[in-house]
Parts: sequence; structure tokens; C-alpha cells
Amino acid sequence: GAGVSQSPSNKVTEKGKDVELRCDPISGHTALYWYRQSLGQGLEFLIYFQGNSAPDKSGLPSDRFSAERTGGSVSTLTIQRTQQEDSAVYLCASSQSTSVTDTQYFGPGTRLTVL
Amino acid sequence: GEDVEQSLFLSVREGDSSVINCTYTDSSSTYLYWYKQEPGAGLQLLTYIFSNMDMKQDQRLTVLLNKKDKHLSLRIADTQTGDSAIYFCAEMRGNMLTFGGGTRLMVKP
Repeated sequence: GAGVSQSPSNKVTEKGKDVELRCDPISGHTALYWYRQSLGQGLEFLIYFQGNSAPDKSGLPSDRFSAERTGGSVSTLTIQRTQQEDSAVYLCASSQSTSVTDTQYFGPGTRLTVL
Repeated sequence: GEDVEQSLFLSVREGDSSVINCTYTDSSSTYLYWYKQEPGAGLQLLTYIFSNMDMKQDQRLTVLLNKKDKHLSLRIADTQTGDSAIYFCAEMRGNMLTFGGGTRLMVKP
């Protein structure tokens, strides 16, 4: 079946604008994760969903970041009033459940550039 | 600094073996993973090892785990130019993956 897909693949925006990133997980996967990869920072965990709920939002860098998931499937990560330090590749992953034995499968990422 | 550490860069000649090392800090980690990221692509799961194992072999890949020293390594036998990529190790803590900074492998023909 299809893997994790993300859109857009690339997004260039101006500082101060809002952006919305989309993730389509593997069908049937109940757990969904957002990470970001910044230059020189490595991979950073942002948030995860079990079904439609996000038990732990402490990984989000600031209150400008929010995420939601509806219908237990598609998730959107929204960044309001973007800043240049938000420039990064945003990666989404999904797994069958949040069990530690379930492997997370990653999408190709969305490259966000804030000018 | 990061809790999972890797060297930044490794250069090998085609046909040689590559060994990418990783150290982690959480002794309660259950699974440890190796991911590969090629230019312009997302992360690809290469292999993983359960924490009660010492070694896992999968075709050209060999993973060694020294739990006492919290050291993980990935050996790629007969390295090819197509293996050039960034390799990330990651440890599973709870239901969250924590990644190292990645090792860039360059394979010279």
C-alpha cells in the first residue's frame, strides 16, 4: 500500500505569514508523529497523536505551532506568524499504534523556507 | 547537546566496509534504529534491534549493540556509491524516537 505522504513538498513563505502542512499517514495507522529537521539541529520531536488526540504538546517549540488530526487520519501542522528560525524540513511519521514495538514510517517531508 | 551522539562524517572507498557508530544515554530504551536519508528524500528505515539483542544481520547490514557501554554500530559490507547518504541512529523512549545528529557517509569510487 501507499506510504506516508506529505504536502506540499516545498513551501516558501514570507516572515509573518501563516503556513499549513499536511500529512497523510499509512491507512490504518492510529499513531501519527511530527518531527522537524533543522540545519545543525538534527531531528527534533514535535508532537504525536493517538487517534485524534495529542496527549503531549510539550515538544511544540512555541504557541505559534499547533497541530490537529481529524477522523483519525490526516493531520495538519500549522505555524502562525512564521519566523526565519522556523525554516526546516518537517517530517511526519505513522505507526500502527503507539506501542514501542511498532516501527514509525516516515514521509518525504515538507521543506519550509521562511524569507 | 543531543542525548544520542554520532560522528558527523565518514568517508570510505567503494567495496570497503563502513562502520557508523552511535552512543545513547537512556538505558531503558527498548528499540534502537538506523535510518537512511538520501538527498531530497525522507527517512528510510534500514533496520532496528531490540535492546536484549547483541547483534542483528540483514544482508549487507550488521547492527551491533553494546548495552553496557550504550554503544550502537551499523556496519555496511561492500559499500557502494548508492550507499552515500546521511545515517541516523535513534532510540525509542516510551513512544517517542530520539535521533542522533546523523552521520554523512561519502563513498568514493
